[in-house]
Amino acid sequence: DAGITQSPRYKITETGRQVTLMCHQTWSHSYMFWYRQDLGHGLRLIYYSAAADITDKGEVPDGYVVSRSKTENFPLTLESATRSQTSVYFCASSLYGRDNEQFFGPGTRLTVL
Amino acid sequence: AQKITQTQPGMFVQEKEAVTLDCTYDTSDQSYGLFWYKQPSSGEMIFLIYQGSYDEQNATEGRYSLNFQKARKSANLVISASQLGDSAMYFCAMRRTTGGFKTIFGAGTRLFVKA
Repeated sequence: DAGITQSPRYKITETGRQVTLMCHQTWSHSYMFWYRQDLGHGLRLIYYSAAADITDKGEVPDGYVVSRSKTENFPLTLESATRSQTSVYFCASSLYGRDNEQFFGPGTRLTVL
Repeated sequence: AQKITQTQPGMFVQEKEAVTLDCTYDTSDQSYGLFWYKQPSSGEMIFLIYQGSYDEQNATEGRYSLNFQKARKSANLVISASQLGDSAMYFCAMRRTTGGFKTIFGAGTRLFVKA
C-alpha cells in the first residue's frame, strides 16, 4: 500500500542497547523527518533529510544516528538507549519546499527500561 | 530564535459552536509556511490547513480557517460548528524556507467538545 510506514509500532528495550526504528515511504518524497513527541513538548525534530545521502540535525539530535541510502527509507538508530529516550517517535515525509505539508507515519512507542 | 507558542493547554467548546485556538510565532525569516495539525486520541497526525507568509487571503478548508495576522505574528485556527469528533490535540507548526525547510511545532492545545 502507498503511504508512510513505521516499524516496529511498539518497542521495549533496556538501557544501553542499540535500537533502530524504521521508516519507509512510497511517495518518493524528497524530504523525510524524525520527531519525538513528549508530553508538554509537542513534536521536536531530531533529524531530517533533504534527499538520499543528505541529512542534518534538528533540535534534539544527541544520542541518535540516521542514514538515508535510499530515498524511500530513513532509519533512526539509538546507539545506546537511555531512559530519557522513552518517547513516541514519528517519521514524516514531504515534497520539496516551504508550502508542502508533512505526511506522518503512525508512530513508534519506545520504552527504555 | 524560531519559536511557536500555543498558550492554551486545554479548551472546552460546546458542540455546534465555533472555537479559536491561538498560535503565535517568532521568526526572522521573511518567507515561511504555517500549518495546523490534528492529533486524535488514536495518535496519528492529520494535516488540517496551511498558510504561506506571503498569502494575502486567510486560508480556509471546510470548517477550518486560519486567522493570519502577520504583523502580530499570529496564526490562529478557527473551527466552526464544532463536532464531537473535533476533540483532539491541535498543533501549530512553522516551516522555514531557510535551514533546510525545518519545521518546528508548538506544544499543542487539547480541545474538548461537549455534547
